[in-house]
Amino acid sequence: NAGVTQTPKFQVLKTGQSMTLQCAQDMNHEYMSWYRQDPGMGLRLIHYSVGAGITDQGEVPNGYNVSRSTTEDFPLRLLSAAPSQTSVYFCASRLSGSGEQFFGPGTRLTVL
Amino acid sequence: AQSVAQPEDQVNVAEGNPLTVKCTYSVSGNPYLFWYVQYPNRGLQFLLKYITGDNLVKGSYGFEAEFNKSQTSFHLKKPSALVSDSALYFCAVRDNSGAGSYQLTFGKGTKLSVIP
Repeated sequence: NAGVTQTPKFQVLKTGQSMTLQCAQDMNHEYMSWYRQDPGMGLRLIHYSVGAGITDQGEVPNGYNVSRSTTEDFPLRLLSAAPSQTSVYFCASRLSGSGEQFFGPGTRLTVL
Repeated sequence: AQSVAQPEDQVNVAEGNPLTVKCTYSVSGNPYLFWYVQYPNRGLQFLLKYITGDNLVKGSYGFEAEFNKSQTSFHLKKPSALVSDSALYFCAVRDNSGAGSYQLTFGKGTKLSVIP
């Protein structure tokens, strides 16, 4: 199993540009989530999904969109990038119930 | 709302000494509690979890954590620290009942430095 994969690993955008961060998992996990990590702030939940076709907002959803058309994939879209979205983004997945989350390697995004 | 507090931004310990990284939590219902470790420029790796049962939980790499319901704490411990344990440690909580049961809330992290 590849686990949770994310692409790209690094990305530089200009203010106002849009892009999609890709996330895929091959463990047949129902739950998938996107987090951003900023220094001194831990991980903050952006959006999550409890299954194909079902998504919901987390703590910091503004400026981001998600969709879940398949169990495996959960892309994160930045609609119009802003410097405040400079961060490291992690995708994670888990089974329902008491299972722990498995994290991808992260995408480091810089918005100029 | 659920929350996690890690009161120490940094913990320094000498190699071979015991280490403790502190975590307290707040949830409405019963907690699922987790510890994760992050090495530089890497994703988070799962260390251990408390779901129910024995209050002392053993995990990967010799780490353990003690669940204390009355003090709402879940401190991470290791009897003898290694230099390779130096990393960023995150405590996380999920409410296992009703609202919030989907979401995992993280603390801000504690940087552990083990000094040779």
